This record gives sequence, C-alpha cells and structure tokens, in this order.
Amino acid sequence: AQKVTQAQTEISVVEKEDVTLDCVYETRDTTYYLFWYKQPPSGELVFLIRRNSFDEQNEISGRYSWNFQKSTSSFNFTITASQVVDSAVYFCALNTGTASKLTFGTGTRLQVTL
Amino acid sequence: ETGVTQTPRHLVMGMTNKKSLKCEQHLGHNAMYWYKQSAKKPLELMFVYSLEERVENNSVPSRFSPECPNSSHLFLHLHTLQPEDSALYLCASSQASGILGTDTQYFGPGTRLTVL
Repeated sequence: AQKVTQAQTEISVVEKEDVTLDCVYETRDTTYYLFWYKQPPSGELVFLIRRNSFDEQNEISGRYSWNFQKSTSSFNFTITASQVVDSAVYFCALNTGTASKLTFGTGTRLQVTL
Repeated sequence: ETGVTQTPRHLVMGMTNKKSLKCEQHLGHNAMYWYKQSAKKPLELMFVYSLEERVENNSVPSRFSPECPNSSHLFLHLHTLQPEDSALYLCASSQASGILGTDTQYFGPGTRLTVL
C-alpha cells in the first residue's frame, strides 16, 4: 500500500524567512515517483517537481529546493526567502506504477505574511 | 487556450438536477483523469482514461458518469447528486509513456460544485 504523510497542517511565516515542508512516504516498491504540487487559492494544482526513486540528488530551482532521502523515506521541500505569492497549499504525492493513480498527502497550507 | 481548462468554474445544483462538467486539454496528452477534492480530505482519484478508454474506476457511485469522446475532452455527467458530493472536481492530463500514473499529471483549475 502507498501512503504519503504531510504532518504539518499549516505553517505561517513572515516574508523572507526560509520554510521547509515535510513529506514522508511509505511504499514497498523499489521503483516509485514522487511529486510536489502547489495549489494557490485559485484552485489549480501546479506541478513543481517529479523525482524517481533512483535519483537521490537534491534539486534546486530558484528559491525552491528539494531534499530526497531514501533512508528516511522523506522528500522535503524548502522555500528560501519566502514571498507572499508562495502562500498556497502544497501537496506531496507518490506513485509506484502498480496502480494508475497518484497518492496525495493531505497538504500543508503555507501562509506568508508581510 | 493553454494547458488544461475546465468549465464551469462554479456550479450550484439541486439533488434532482442533471449537469455536466467539461474538461479540455491543449497539451497533446493521451491520458485524462477526474479527481475529487473535499474539505480536509486527500485528493481522491475518480476515473482514468487512457487513449479514450476507461482504465480505472475507483468505486465511484453511478450518479457520476464519465465520458471521453476523444483524447482532448473529458466530461463528468452528474445526476441525482447528494449534498456530500459538494467538492472541487479537478481534471488532469498526462502523456502516458510507460506505466500509467508515473508520468506527470497537469491539472486544470477545477469546478467547485455545490449540491443543495
């Protein structure tokens, strides 16, 4: 069975602070894919990153970075120097390919204030 | 239009009404999905279509009826819904290149449905 846990329900930070969103996953498969999506108030889920289980290199894209650690089954997401526009709900998701569906976590609501 | 579009964006209907949600993808993808997002619950996959054939139906009640006439369009026909069906309905598409579901899914803005 697949499971994704985002223990942080809501995080509030002041602009320019760094913030890390946690994601812990469970799967017995050795091949799997992890995703992060952003859902702003408009509702659309915006794709941020896709990572397969064989690639443990951390990734940086502008102010965003991801830390993938198979040893702890975690795929954490860090926003550096947060901005108000980063306010959204962020979802971590997992797919092992054994079922044609993404398993989503419950999401973390990030509120960035001035 | 670009990406994945959904209409209407908001819908209010009574329990005896019949309505349809429309999704259109402009990405040249060959797989499309319907998801339901209820308050305080994880996103739930409802249906998957690959090459216009339904490949997944996650025990969705028959009052929800999907239709995929071609690879660019996906509909969700609604009839005799219940108030607990009120939710955000999200459509997604992907280019299935291997095992369906491992490719990246791109989402539309959703239809917020309220059932009175």
